[in-house]
Amino acid sequence: NAGVTQTPKFQVLKTGQSMTLQCAQDMNHEYMSWYRQDPGMGLRLIHYSVGAGITDQGEVPNGYNVSRSTTEDFPLRLLSAAPSQTSVYFCASSRLANFPEQYFGPGTRLTVT
Amino acid sequence: AQSVAQPEDQVNVAEGNPLTVKCTYSVSGNPYLFWYVQYPNRGLQFLLKYITGDNLVKGSYGFEAEFNKSQTSFHLKKPSALVSDSALYFCAVSAISSGSARQLTFGSGTQLTVLP
Repeated sequence: NAGVTQTPKFQVLKTGQSMTLQCAQDMNHEYMSWYRQDPGMGLRLIHYSVGAGITDQGEVPNGYNVSRSTTEDFPLRLLSAAPSQTSVYFCASSRLANFPEQYFGPGTRLTVT
Repeated sequence: AQSVAQPEDQVNVAEGNPLTVKCTYSVSGNPYLFWYVQYPNRGLQFLLKYITGDNLVKGSYGFEAEFNKSQTSFHLKKPSALVSDSALYFCAVSAISSGSARQLTFGSGTQLTVLP
């Protein structure tokens, strides 16, 4: 099993550009989520999904879109990048039942200039 | 709303000594508590969780955590620290939201440094 994979590892964008961060998991997990990690703030939930075709907003959803067309993939779209979106982004997945642990990808470090 | 506090940004301990990383939480209803560890330039790895049952939870790499309902705390402990335990540690709480999704709320993290 590859677990949770994320691409790219690093990305530099100019303000106003758009891009998609890719996330895939091969564990057949129903639940997938995106977090951003900023120094001194822990991880904050951006969007999550409980299955194909079902997504919902987390704590900090503004400026980001998601879709879930398959169980395996959960891409995160930045519509018009802003410097405030400079962060490290993590994708995670888990089963839905019984409060299982989440499995995290290796992260994408995004810089917006 | 649920929240987690990790009052110490940095904890230093000598190798071989016991370590404690503190965590307190606030949540409506039953808390479901987790500890994760992050090594440099890596994603988070699960250490242990408390859902119900015994207040002392044992996890990976010799770590354990004690759930204290009256003090709303879930401190991470290890009897004898290793240099390889040096990492960033996150406490997290989960609660059922609409659609039965389990949203994790993380603390700000505690950098543990074990000195040789």
